[in-house]
Amino acid sequence: DAGVIQSPRHEVTEMGQEVTLRCKPISGHDYLFWYRQTMMRGLELLIYFNNNVPIDDSGMPEDRFSAKMPNASFSTLKIQPSEPRDSAVYFCASSSVNEQYFGPGTRLTVT
Amino acid sequence: AQSVTQLGSHVSVSEGALVLLRCNYSSSVPPYLFWYVQYPNQGLQLLLKYTTGATLVKGINGFEAEFKKSETSFHLTKPSAHMSDAAEYFCAVSDTGGYQKVTFGTGTKLQVIP
Repeated sequence: DAGVIQSPRHEVTEMGQEVTLRCKPISGHDYLFWYRQTMMRGLELLIYFNNNVPIDDSGMPEDRFSAKMPNASFSTLKIQPSEPRDSAVYFCASSSVNEQYFGPGTRLTVT
Repeated sequence: AQSVTQLGSHVSVSEGALVLLRCNYSSSVPPYLFWYVQYPNQGLQLLLKYTTGATLVKGINGFEAEFKKSETSFHLTKPSAHMSDAAEYFCAVSDTGGYQKVTFGTGTKLQVIP
């Protein structure tokens, strides 16, 4: 398995634009997580899915953020409209009972 | 609510020296504890986790951690540091045993001096 795949690896966008981050989890994993990492706030859980169903989205900062998991092999995190304070590294992770793997992250810069 | 406190945002050790990264937890229920490592420009990688049972947990890359309930601690150690150990290390806690509601510490950057 190639591990958790995220795209793009880097994204630079202007304030107000829509941003979509993508994630392909490890096959067979039944949980998928979206995290955000910043210097100020550290690593924060935004949302997680179990068997493609969103279970807890209490970490999603605002209505500008939305996440979907249409099938077991794909998830998106969308920010619309984006703001400079959304600049961060966004990680996707997937897990089974016995293991968890993180993707390499998407570094988002909103100017 | 559960939380972890990592003592020292930066730790420097000489190559070959003992590595000790400190973590104290707070939890209202028996905790599940984790250590992760993050290399530059990469995602986190699970080093080890404590659920129940043996209090000394061995992980990857020669690291181990000991759960001490009386001290509410879960310090990470490695007998001999390698240059490749230079990274940021995160302690984390969960009350579910799984990865669903893991709360991370603020991280400790380990520098290994040749």
